[in-house]
Amino acid sequence: QVQLQESGPGLVKPSETLSLTCTVSGGSISSYYWSWIRQPPGKGLEWIGDIYYTGRITYNPSLESRITISLDTSKNQFSLRLTSVTAADTAMYSCARGDSRRSGLFDPWGQGTLVTVSS
Amino acid sequence: QSVLTQPPSASGTPGQGITISCSGSTSNIGSNYVYWYYQVPGTAPKLLMYRNNQRPSGVPDRFSGSKSGTSASLAISGLRSEDEADYYCAAWDDSLSGVLFGGGTKLTVL
Repeated sequence: QVQLQESGPGLVKPSETLSLTCTVSGGSISSYYWSWIRQPPGKGLEWIGDIYYTGRITYNPSLESRITISLDTSKNQFSLRLTSVTAADTAMYSCARGDSRRSGLFDPWGQGTLVTVSS
Repeated sequence: QSVLTQPPSASGTPGQGITISCSGSTSNIGSNYVYWYYQVPGTAPKLLMYRNNQRPSGVPDRFSGSKSGTSASLAISGLRSEDEADYYCAAWDDSLSGVLFGGGTKLTVL
């Protein structure tokens, strides 16, 4: 049974870079799509982007200028970097497995990690 | 950013049936599959319905999904207290070239 676990700092200063890692266990990262999704407190879900195991990446256009998603198959991990953060980037960040391109299927999800942007 | 429109809230009593709608456009629901997620506050979302009307294993047949044109619906029959949660629809959007989520519907079981 595939499980995902996010890790990274829970507090980031404004204008700095948010960096998170998702570790995949119980299965290989060398297949499927791997996604990042966030949810600001009390608000809805926002898709950030995904990466295919071949390295093919798709980003949410509204965030594209600030985000980088990468894959480390040797560690069965994928990562998110979000630069120049502001308070509006405060959210629960979750990683999830996707099934294919042009799909809204995410299953399973990690438990999520809360990232607060504050000085 | 949501261009998938859901009612912010819905409610029903145990045993009743309810329907949650998700309205989109030709670039998303009109031309791609719809997915539904269930989230109890404080926990991660779980896949509830995929490809419009397919239930993952473990999801009771009290839940059903449908799509017509640029709108989709999630129907829940025989409401139970454990159905109280937030429900989100999602679909790929061809114009955005990305996934859109609805704003979410908070279901209260009275």
